[in-house]
Amino acid sequence: GIQVEQSPPDLILQEGANSTLRCNFSDSVNNLQWFHQNPWGQLINLFYIPSGTKQNGRLSATTVATERYSLLYISSSQTTDSGVYFCAIGGATNKLIFGTGTLLAVQP
Amino acid sequence: EAQVTQNPRYLITVTGKKLTVTCSQNMNHEYMSWYRQDPGLGLRQIYYSMNVEVTDKGDVPEGYKVSRKEKRNFPLILESPSPNQTSLYFCASSFYSGVFANTGELFFGEGSRLTVL
Repeated sequence: GIQVEQSPPDLILQEGANSTLRCNFSDSVNNLQWFHQNPWGQLINLFYIPSGTKQNGRLSATTVATERYSLLYISSSQTTDSGVYFCAIGGATNKLIFGTGTLLAVQP
Repeated sequence: EAQVTQNPRYLITVTGKKLTVTCSQNMNHEYMSWYRQDPGLGLRQIYYSMNVEVTDKGDVPEGYKVSRKEKRNFPLILESPSPNQTSLYFCASSFYSGVFANTGELFFGEGSRLTVL
């Protein structure tokens, strides 16, 4: 089946810094989403982005499906950005496969 | 407001005492699914449903039951809970198009933290 790999596994930033999170996948996909799990455990949709580029405030994402990767950019990070960022992909099955996540800690 | 609602949010129970975690969505989504999240194991799918009366096993279905009698509701039933079912549970829903159910944008409920003593 499709493999998903996220990097880095964890990241510590100072408030105001920028960061790039990466999601690699092993086969063609028909779905790719980025989620943020906040410290209270809630899973929040960030982007539905099987291809192309999207922006939402300080966050943006790019998926290059032909090269099998997606990037999540966080600019001017804030402490509220802390948590775990997951990418999830869908291939030729009924399942959405989740990566193991990137744990982000933004320090004031 | 479009949302997926789970109840209870927190529950402590004892081994063998049947319980049900309810899930309801107000977005008219065909697809609904249950996941459990455990430290070091990530999110694992328990069961999913592609429409009313259509359900199928995910990766970790043992010890769980589901039903989909109405489009908006997808309860998760633990007939005889055991301590290894202590976990954080998420319900999710989406539209989908085409053959596969994983094509739509997935929306999660707020999670239900279950402890089985």
